[in-house]
Amino acid sequence: DARVTQTPRDKVTEMGQEVTMRCQPILGHNTVFWYRQTMMQGLELLAYFRNRAPLDDSGMPKDRFSAEMPDATLATLKIQPSEPRDSAVYFCASANDRSQTNYGYTFGSGTRLTVV
Amino acid sequence: GIQVEQSPPDLILQEGANSTLRCNFSDSVNNLQWFHQNPWGQLINLFYIPSGTKQNGRLSATTVATERYSLLYISSSQTTDSGVYFCAVSLFYGGSQGNLIFGKGTKLSVKP
Repeated sequence: DARVTQTPRDKVTEMGQEVTMRCQPILGHNTVFWYRQTMMQGLELLAYFRNRAPLDDSGMPKDRFSAEMPDATLATLKIQPSEPRDSAVYFCASANDRSQTNYGYTFGSGTRLTVV
Repeated sequence: GIQVEQSPPDLILQEGANSTLRCNFSDSVNNLQWFHQNPWGQLINLFYIPSGTKQNGRLSATTVATERYSLLYISSSQTTDSGVYFCAVSLFYGGSQGNLIFGKGTKLSVKP
């Protein structure tokens, strides 16, 4: 089965350090999403790319977060500097919005980030 | 923005029982998906169902877009069905599907 690959699976870092999370979307999918999941807020959208162009990053704290898609096979989410409140599970998902019959999202396994 | 409400928030079942989970949404949508998050955190897409009815094994879903709700049916529940079930919706236009707005989920526990 095709899958979305996220690395790393787990990351523990000290406050102030840079964190980079990577995502390889499913080949042929043209939309990529970054979500953050916490107990308090649930699943929140951070950024959304379509055909590698950023369409919506309104959910992302701009002063410390950045999201890019350097090519169709790689999406990155960076936090610099990291803070304890950034501790969460970060999910990447991809989909093909050119499909008329199935626009189901496929999620990666997530990156569990702990900032101490 | 679109509001998504799921009910019940928690559900405990005995293995073999059937259940119905509900998702209400506040505005017109043309993209509705159901997900299962297992106890290990993995989010699995169950259905892409903007309207109509679909079935996959013991699971089926129905969306009545005009009345702004969707139902997820689980029959003959198994312990492996435990986890959190999320409904998510979006409204797309201009050729772009937009991003999904998630409900808070229904936490299901199936006891042996």
